[in-house]
Amino acid sequence: KAGVTQTPRYLIKTRGQQVTLSCSPISGHRSVSWYQQTPGQGLQFLFEYFSETQRNKGNFPGRFSGRQFSNSRSEMNVSTLELGDSALYLCASSFGSVNPGNTGELFFGEGSRLTVL
Amino acid sequence: QKEVEQDPGPLSVPEGAIVSLNCTYSNSAFQYFMWYRQYSRKGPELLMYTYSSGNKEDGRFTAQVDKSSKYISLFIRDSQPSDSATYLCAMSSNTGFQKLVFGTGTRLLVSP
Repeated sequence: KAGVTQTPRYLIKTRGQQVTLSCSPISGHRSVSWYQQTPGQGLQFLFEYFSETQRNKGNFPGRFSGRQFSNSRSEMNVSTLELGDSALYLCASSFGSVNPGNTGELFFGEGSRLTVL
Repeated sequence: QKEVEQDPGPLSVPEGAIVSLNCTYSNSAFQYFMWYRQYSRKGPELLMYTYSSGNKEDGRFTAQVDKSSKYISLFIRDSQPSDSATYLCAMSSNTGFQKLVFGTGTRLLVSP
């Protein structure tokens, strides 16, 4: 079955611009989580959406936002980009709950690598 | 201080060696413990997950959790060059695994 798809894979922006990243989850998965990965901080949780509602949120400023559509696809937006926003942004999908038939495992995409100049 | 601490490495071993990877944590609310493997330019993939304390074995991999010491380990037996990757520990205090707290990862290099 198809995995998690993230677009674009690479992008370059300048300070002050905004960016929108897209994530298509595995078919049947209703939860989409976003993480930021940097060499110094590792993976840090941004937020999680389940059935179009933000269910969990990390400690990132309001410049980072997201949404989820009825087909479970998700987008995240970063406004007023800063140099420190340069990172690999990873999307992960899951069923969103732990049942006897699944472990709640997160399946990650390959990420969108953002460079801010 | 970070909630989860992990030595970044790199850890270099010869093929066939036993590898030990470790993480310490400070949040006693963590109940679910995971190890992810990440190859270069790829997303992380789940290797092992463990609930609470104890050991879990899957092929060449063994995960151990010691909640009293707030210490988790991943052992890789008979390491292979294909095991060369970054290994990330991750933890969660809820049942959905959605909000994970990750270590920064240990880079492992297995030479033939």
